[in-house]
Amino acid sequence: SQKIEQNSEALNIQEGKTATLTCNYTNYSPAYLQWYRQDPGRGPVFLLLIRENEKEKRKERLKVTFDTTLKQSLFHITASQPADSATYLCALDMRNQGGKLIFGQGTELSVKP
Amino acid sequence: SQTIHQWPATLVQPVGSPLSLECTVEGTSNPNLYWYRQAAGRGLQLLFYSVGIGQISSEVPQNLSASRPQDRQFILSSKKLLLSDSGFYLCAWSETGAATEAFFGQGTRLTVV
Repeated sequence: SQKIEQNSEALNIQEGKTATLTCNYTNYSPAYLQWYRQDPGRGPVFLLLIRENEKEKRKERLKVTFDTTLKQSLFHITASQPADSATYLCALDMRNQGGKLIFGQGTELSVKP
Repeated sequence: SQTIHQWPATLVQPVGSPLSLECTVEGTSNPNLYWYRQAAGRGLQLLFYSVGIGQISSEVPQNLSASRPQDRQFILSSKKLLLSDSGFYLCAWSETGAATEAFFGQGTRLTVV
């Protein structure tokens, strides 16, 4: 079965630094990876999507990269702020094969002032 | 605009009692619908997904079932709850096809006592 893994359960960084989160998936193609933010007690909110034929996507201070050789996506938050503290989830979009969207276990990011 | 409604927000149920959680979507037609469960501090576990009325795919054999009696209604049920059914249940929808974001409801915090 398909798997998606996020390497770190928690990441602590200082305000102003760049946070980098990692997501790996098992062999699946065509791969679309999505990134979500989840605050405590709330449902996840979509941030970015990247396709396997795209190397990079950006949205304001967010950047996502995709390495199909490593089967890995990196999620970057530049100039991080305490308000960026949340759990970040990556998801493997398998909707072209029956509608599945499976999530990793999430990385809890804490940005200290 | 599209909206998703999930209720109740919190629920405390005794072991052995039945369960019915309801999710409805407005402002779209023929959406993909999902039920996820999230244990404390963990990622989202896909329980069921549906690409159309009466079409339910189950991901994890367990004590739960799902139904889609109408195009934009998704129901999660159990005949007899177990302690292990406790968790945060999330309903989500997306447009059909790949590479589309998922929109989540507010979630239901279920505690089985």
